[in-house]
Amino acid sequence: EVQLVETGGGLIQPGGSLRLSCAASGFSVSDNYMSWVRQAPGKGLEWVSVIYSGGSTYYADSVKGRFTISRDISKNTLYLQMNSLRAEDTAVYYCARGLGSSWSLFDFWGQGTLVTVSS
Amino acid sequence: DIQMTQSPSSLSASVGDRVTITCRASQSISGFLNWYQQKPGKAPKLLIYTASTLQTGVPSRFSGDGSGTYFTLTIVGLQPDDFATYYCQQSYSAPPTFGGGTKVEIK
Repeated sequence: EVQLVETGGGLIQPGGSLRLSCAASGFSVSDNYMSWVRQAPGKGLEWVSVIYSGGSTYYADSVKGRFTISRDISKNTLYLQMNSLRAEDTAVYYCARGLGSSWSLFDFWGQGTLVTVSS
Repeated sequence: DIQMTQSPSSLSASVGDRVTITCRASQSISGFLNWYQQKPGKAPKLLIYTASTLQTGVPSRFSGDGSGTYFTLTIVGLQPDDFATYYCQQSYSAPPTFGGGTKVEIK
């Protein structure tokens, strides 16, 4: 059974750093496109970042230079390192798997982890 | 970035009703349009991809149509489990973008 479990969210002050984790089971993160998608409280969905099966990474302009996506094949886990956090980064962060050859079509999502950036 | 506009933003309907949600793209996205269902406190769930392909396990009362810039999601015979927020999303070009959502509420 495919499962994605995010951890690492919490309350962090502006300018701080946080690392989110997404543990996968039932499939290999290294064989799939894996993304982070976020949702601000009461708002819609915003794609954040993707890591291709080949290792290439891409980011939304809103987080470029501040966030880094990575993976640990041995742990079958996806990460999102978030630096220089801002209030507008407050959101539930979901990890999601790309369907087949489409990196931007998301067929499985984790339950999400809440990041709150506030002083 | 391609802008996705959904309408209405919310609607009230009764069990058994036929419901149609529309999604417009700011430029042609061919058929690269996907629909998700999200319930409060839960992750989005993929319902339909490439405009009209039903994801495995999704009931046949859901259907999608459209191409280019205009798309629809239709639910025929609304069930209690269908009350949720629905999002469209384009996977035509980077970055992938989502519509603002349509909340389907019980009348």
